Amino acid sequence: AAGVIQSPRHLIKEKRETATLKCYPIPRHDTVYWYQQGPGQDPQFLISFYEKMQSDKGSIPDRFSAQQFSDYHSELNMSSLELGDSALYFCASTPGPVPGGELFFGEGSRLTVL
Amino acid sequence: DAKTTQPNSMESNEEEPVHLPCNHSTISGTDYIHWYRQLPSQGPEYVIHGLTSNVNNRMASLAIAEDRKSSTLILHRATLRDAAVYYCILRIFGNEKLTFGTGTRLTIIP
Repeated sequence: AAGVIQSPRHLIKEKRETATLKCYPIPRHDTVYWYQQGPGQDPQFLISFYEKMQSDKGSIPDRFSAQQFSDYHSELNMSSLELGDSALYFCASTPGPVPGGELFFGEGSRLTVL
Repeated sequence: DAKTTQPNSMESNEEEPVHLPCNHSTISGTDYIHWYRQLPSQGPEYVIHGLTSNVNNRMASLAIAEDRKSSTLILHRATLRDAAVYYCILRIFGNEKLTFGTGTRLTIIP
């Protein structure tokens, strides 16, 4: 079965550079969530989209922005990168905001900022 | 968000049942109880969820206390592949994101 696809899987950037992470949800899933997981930490919710509109916002820095496109894929744009942005970034998708439903996570994109 | 409390770590022998507890004393009537697990360097993986009644699936069982203030995830026969961090999460009706707390790191002893 198709899963959530994230790209790139690994990314190395310098401080103050910009990075873009992409998430392709499972077909017919219209809701996407982004999470950040720093080293040794638990996943932290960043932002979510439902039907191409932002549906919720968590602890996402102002330097970060995200959007969901007409084909439901989503991109997380990170500018002025800092060392503390080094983390695993996970994307998850669901078939709409189903109460109590399951979130399907991708394998993550590992960002390293030097 | 309503909070959950889990032990930081647990150990279990391979091929034995494992009971992972979770306290959620501030749960409200419409909060679903979700369990996810995360294997090293992988994304979180759904395990099971429930609202009021006990639930079973191919991976595990979820036992929910009658007052819903606690629950227990049961792995019936642990394998080495079950070694992971297990998260108990309350999912609020109408607020579909998952808020991860500090889960239980489960170690399986061969």
